[in-house]
Amino acid sequence: SQQGEEDPQALSIQEGENATMNCSYKTSINNLQWYRQNSGRGLVHLILIRSNEREKHSGRLRVTLDTSKKSSSLLITASRAADTASYFCATREFGNEKLTFGTGTRLTIIP
Amino acid sequence: DGGITQSPKYLFRKEGQNVTLSCEQNLNHDAMYWYRQDPGQGLRLIYYSQIVNDFQKGDIAEGYSVSREKKESFPLTVTSAQKNPTAFYLCASSMTEQETQYFGPGTRLLVL
Repeated sequence: SQQGEEDPQALSIQEGENATMNCSYKTSINNLQWYRQNSGRGLVHLILIRSNEREKHSGRLRVTLDTSKKSSSLLITASRAADTASYFCATREFGNEKLTFGTGTRLTIIP
Repeated sequence: DGGITQSPKYLFRKEGQNVTLSCEQNLNHDAMYWYRQDPGQGLRLIYYSQIVNDFQKGDIAEGYSVSREKKESFPLTVTSAQKNPTAFYLCASSMTEQETQYFGPGTRLLVL
């Protein structure tokens, strides 16, 4: 079953603009992770945020977590053509060894 | 180079045939995973293993089998019982089940 649901399903923006993707989930979690997938490739881990954290930064990436709303957002600032990819959130529930992935947001950066 | 490799990149299966997808890692990770990805969808967990000689079913294990005889290797067999095997298969590993996962490049399985 899908735990995380990303919104929007697809997003196209001009190069240099900021891109925001959202993830909603259903149950209490231990941590939430964001991954990127280029077309036809494996996933690459971007950032992990734990349930007791509210915000995390990594380079041009900013992730927020609101456990009361069971939602997270991924912000990519000053987008580049190389950011074109699908982005997935994945949640880990307490006491569960498994990661549950959402359906992803397909991001297209227009040069 | 440290990493996780999958082979082959493309695999063709005939009706009634079992095929095996290879996954090898030299990251010294204890946990390994197999996922299936269908077009426009997220990843669904097939099997995972937290330690050598032990593995657990994921959400869609029917029609698949795995083994974990060595820490570095976690092959996946798609059996003839899997009636809709066409998909992109991704292998991943992590230091423990709590940590982030590192993914291989994937194997695309097609049915002839």
